[in-house]
Amino acid sequence: QSVLTQPPSVSGAPGQRVTISCTGSSSNIGGGYDAHWYQRLPGTAPKLLIYGNTNRPSGVPDRFSGSKSGTSASLAITGLQAEDEADYYCQSYDTRLSGSVFGGGTKLTVL
Amino acid sequence: QVQLQESGPGLVKPSETLSLTCTVSGGSIRSYYWSWIRQPPGKGLEWIGYIYYSGSTNYNPSLKSRVTISVDMSKNQFSLKLSSVTAADTARYYCARHEGGRNGWCDYWGQGTLVTVTS
Repeated sequence: QSVLTQPPSVSGAPGQRVTISCTGSSSNIGGGYDAHWYQRLPGTAPKLLIYGNTNRPSGVPDRFSGSKSGTSASLAITGLQAEDEADYYCQSYDTRLSGSVFGGGTKLTVL
Repeated sequence: QVQLQESGPGLVKPSETLSLTCTVSGGSIRSYYWSWIRQPPGKGLEWIGYIYYSGSTNYNPSLKSRVTISVDMSKNQFSLKLSSVTAADTARYYCARHEGGRNGWCDYWGQGTLVTVTS
């Protein structure tokens, strides 16, 4: 059971918008700690998509955006493309564990 | 461009110590935190711990009693040792640069190395 809860799977058709939630608690996201998001394409290492809740590293398309509200963070992907099919993970810091924590991951299927 | 490369045995026997090294190229190990993260087959990512270039460490409490992360600035490397391994430690192990302090993110990753615990 992950400290950060993500839906196991989401899906959408090409061109659509999907969101992936990451629900935490007062000891992590709700306590003011930032959420970060990663994309793991099959057979590759995770890639940083969003850091500090809303910031995109250079090279990440603006189709990817992040937000945070209360104890949750969200990743939105607009204009869904076949190559977006991957696993997505959120990450934050947890004061009870005194360390980084990852969500359980969400598998995005592009229909 | 910073690049990371994990190295070490792909097979480890139960009860023995898993040892991996991460070599950093294209940038200095100085002034950053460096993490180890793993992913068991079919499961999600698990943070193992990180080390600051100066040597201070922070470990996942669930692994703390078995984990040691160290740094060798002269070689631009950092290392992971995980003792008393069991089949549950079978995973792909990644090293990564941890930017932004304790609430930071991993901006550069190695490709990962699969370690299987088997007799």
